[in-house]
Amino acid sequence: QKEVEQNSGPLSVPEGAIASLNCTYSDRGSQSFFWYRQYSGKSPELIMFIYSNGDKEDGRFTAQLNKASQYVSLLIRDSQPSDSATYLCAARRGGNQFYFGTGTSLTVIP
Amino acid sequence: EAGVTQSPTHLIKTRGQQVTLRCSPISGHTSVYWYQQALGLGLQFLLWYDEGEERNRGNFPPRFSGRQFPNYSSELNVNALELEDSALYLCASSLRDILLGGTDTQYFGPGTRLTVL
Repeated sequence: QKEVEQNSGPLSVPEGAIASLNCTYSDRGSQSFFWYRQYSGKSPELIMFIYSNGDKEDGRFTAQLNKASQYVSLLIRDSQPSDSATYLCAARRGGNQFYFGTGTSLTVIP
Repeated sequence: EAGVTQSPTHLIKTRGQQVTLRCSPISGHTSVYWYQQALGLGLQFLLWYDEGEERNRGNFPPRFSGRQFPNYSSELNVNALELEDSALYLCASSLRDILLGGTDTQYFGPGTRLTVL
C-alpha cells in the first residue's frame, strides 16, 4: 500500500467549473498535508498546506482534511485553463519525512 | 528573492559512472531535501539535511549520499549509476516555522534531469 494515493486522472472540467482532487494517506501519524501544482517539465510549486481537520481556503483554492477518514482534498473554484497541470498531494510524517502521491492530471477545457 | 537553484540542468552519464548534483537553498533556509522523480513513480524522498547534518533518508541504497555545507548549499552524489537512476532530481528547501507547528513548507528548485545510458 502506498503512503499517499491519488487518482492519476486525467480529470477534465470545463472552464469556470469546480475541480475536485482527492488524496488518501495510510499513516495516521502524518501531521500535515500539502498540495503542489506541477506543470509539465517544471518543478512542483506549493499551493497550500493544511494540518487541522476541516477546511482551509486561499483564494480559489480550498483544502479539506478529514483525519478520521485519512482523506485530503483540494477544490479549485472557477477553474481556468491555466490551472491545467498535475496536482501532487504530500503527507508529512515524523522525522520530517514527506511522502508524495503520483499526482492527478487536471485539464480545464476552455 | 532568489529561489532554490540547482545545477546542472541536464546530465548524461553511462552505467557505473558517478555523478554530483548541486543545490543552493533560498536565502535563510537551513533545510535541504532531495527527491527523485522517475517517470510514473512520483516524488520519492531521498535525503534531508538541516544545519549541516543528515537528519533522515528515504529507502534508497547507500550509493546515494550527500552533504550540506556551512552555507547550507548541498550536494547529492550517486555512485555506480544504474539505468533506473534516470530521473528528475529535485531539491527543495525550507525554513522551520515553529509558529506554524513546524510544517516546514518546502520550496522546490527547477531540478536536474539525469539520463543514464
